[in-house]
Amino acid sequence: KAGVTQTPRYLIKTRGQQVTLSCSPISGHRSVSWYQQTPGQGLQFLFEYFSETQRNKGNFPGRFSGRQFSNSRSEMNVSTLELGDSALYLCASSFNRAGANVLTFGAGSRLTVL
Amino acid sequence: DAKTTQPTSMDCAEGRAANLPCNHSTISGNEYVYWYRQIHSQGPQYIIHGLKNNETNEMASLIITEDRKSSTLILPHATLRDTAVYYCIVRAAGGNNDMRFGAGTRLTVKP
Repeated sequence: KAGVTQTPRYLIKTRGQQVTLSCSPISGHRSVSWYQQTPGQGLQFLFEYFSETQRNKGNFPGRFSGRQFSNSRSEMNVSTLELGDSALYLCASSFNRAGANVLTFGAGSRLTVL
Repeated sequence: DAKTTQPTSMDCAEGRAANLPCNHSTISGNEYVYWYRQIHSQGPQYIIHGLKNNETNEMASLIITEDRKSSTLILPHATLRDTAVYYCIVRAAGGNNDMRFGAGTRLTVKP
């Protein structure tokens, strides 16, 4: 079974630009969550999508947005990039296993904002 | 969700058991204990989870105290590849997948 695939793996942008990151979940997984990881703040929850609907959202500004398609693939977008947006962006898909939600993470997309 | 407390760092000798503690004294009856780990610059990896009973899988064992206020992740024979940050998370059954990762424990396995 293929794992969670994130593209691109690395990208460099400049301040003010926007970026779109993609995540393909494990086949059959309907929930996709996004996380931001920085050295200073650790792993922080961005948002979660389930069946094309945003089910939960973390404490991030509106510049961070996402969506999920009917095939469960998800994208996240960051507009008007700031230097502080440099981070590893992780996507996870999950399957409910007897009441417990187990996340499977992708390798991440490392964004550098110059 | 209940808050967890973990030591900042731990060392373990290669080949010995690594015992990583986690305190979750405010855990509720329907909350699971999950353990993930993150090896440098990779995505976190699921290790194990449990509700009340002790659990074991091919990676580790999870020991949950009878009052469920603390747990211990046991890596029976630690290898250098087990060097990672280990996260203990408490999360209610079902519902959303907004796992809240704390700072975790940085485990260093030494030769």
